[in-house]
Amino acid sequence: DGGITQSPKYLFRKEGQNVTLSCEQNLNHDAMYWYRQDPGQGLRLIYYSQIVNDFQKGDIAEGYSVSREKKESFPLTVTSAQKNPTAFYLCASSPRHTPETQYFGPGTRLLVL
Amino acid sequence: KNEVEQSPQNLTAQEGEFITINCSYSVGISALHWLQQHPGGGIVSLFMLSSGKKKHGRLIATINIQEKHSSLHITASHPRDSAVYICALRIQGAQKLVFGQGTRLTINP
Repeated sequence: DGGITQSPKYLFRKEGQNVTLSCEQNLNHDAMYWYRQDPGQGLRLIYYSQIVNDFQKGDIAEGYSVSREKKESFPLTVTSAQKNPTAFYLCASSPRHTPETQYFGPGTRLLVL
Repeated sequence: KNEVEQSPQNLTAQEGEFITINCSYSVGISALHWLQQHPGGGIVSLFMLSSGKKKHGRLIATINIQEKHSSLHITASHPRDSAVYICALRIQGAQKLVFGQGTRLTINP
């Protein structure tokens, strides 16, 4: 079955620690996206990548970093510079020129202790 | 002003009622997407529209490009329809989506 997997489902972090969220897809999609969702707010774009070894900042990239070394994988690192990291993080992928056909992963809920 | 606004933000109804969720936007778009997010957090696509109307089962989506407005209707609503419904826009010339804040729908038995 083709799809997007995110792990873990829940992640706890101590203040001051970096943490990496995993996103893997086997849909053969070129484009991948990371979103943050806070209660009562719409999804906000953190980073996106349209092709391997290339990525662009979204609307709220500060305090986050990404890599795109493989087509299937787009890990997101939440760094200690992110002052309010507690949120629900969603990964998505799409064919390169049709972002409107994004498929979403199940999400990772990050909690800062 | 946000590029996309959904209304209402919260909606509670009784089973069987006809539901309407609205999405208004202020920019030129090439496509509009209705998404459903269940309590567990996963998001699924319901419809993608660039004009007219689409129907799938009890769900109907319409879009009026001139008025920059889309509606999602649910007929004969059921408790399993309880979810957050999200409108997302592909802005003309952009390679990303812009999302509404979502409408939380609760259908009581």
